[in-house]
Amino acid sequence: NAGVMQNPRHLVRRRGQEARLRCSPMKGHSHVYWYRQLPEEGLKFMVYLQKENIIDESGMPKERFSAEFPKEGPSILRIQQVVRGDSAAYFCASSTTGQSQPQHFGDGTRLSIL
Amino acid sequence: SQELEQSPQSLIVQEGKNLTINCTSSKTLYGLYWYKQKYGEGLIFLMMLQKGGEEKSHEKITAKLDEKKQQSSLHITASQPSHAGIYLCGAEGSSGTYKYIFGTGTRLKVLA
Repeated sequence: NAGVMQNPRHLVRRRGQEARLRCSPMKGHSHVYWYRQLPEEGLKFMVYLQKENIIDESGMPKERFSAEFPKEGPSILRIQQVVRGDSAAYFCASSTTGQSQPQHFGDGTRLSIL
Repeated sequence: SQELEQSPQSLIVQEGKNLTINCTSSKTLYGLYWYKQKYGEGLIFLMMLQKGGEEKSHEKITAKLDEKKQQSSLHITASQPSHAGIYLCGAEGSSGTYKYIFGTGTRLKVLA
């Protein structure tokens, strides 16, 4: 499968635990984006990364959330000390360049907080 | 900030009927992307429109961009049950930006 791969598909955490979401971009894509989809709301941009660099994290909450895209391996979205309001679907997308190219999305990770 | 409004919010049509979904932006459109999402799954890229007046087709789906009206439309001809899902329009906030802004989607159901 040459598409964007996200895992896990579903993740359940208790309040206060950490959540790690992984994303492997499409082959040949070096630009990765994370979006969050809250129930009954649209997709909202969170962060844009290239290999080893965070380009724009303006859509990400200042506390508890972090993202990385290391030289080797998948991009990781990390949420520390999760709260009920973090329950959402988190989507990763990738593209060949950062401008005027379609972003291709993975199937998302559905995060549920107990 | 820019907003995208989609209409209708939901649509139920009989198989074989044509339908149109609209996406209107509160600001100038520089790039407009249409996606389809099935419940519980990811977004499937359908089409990209970048120039005013541009029109693209893929199988029975046609999308147009009206730059002056800051609007795009997605038209499905002779709908089939496989067309069912949520259609989302996404736009670049300003020329070349990577931060897509999405509409809240149009839920389409096609009755066999």
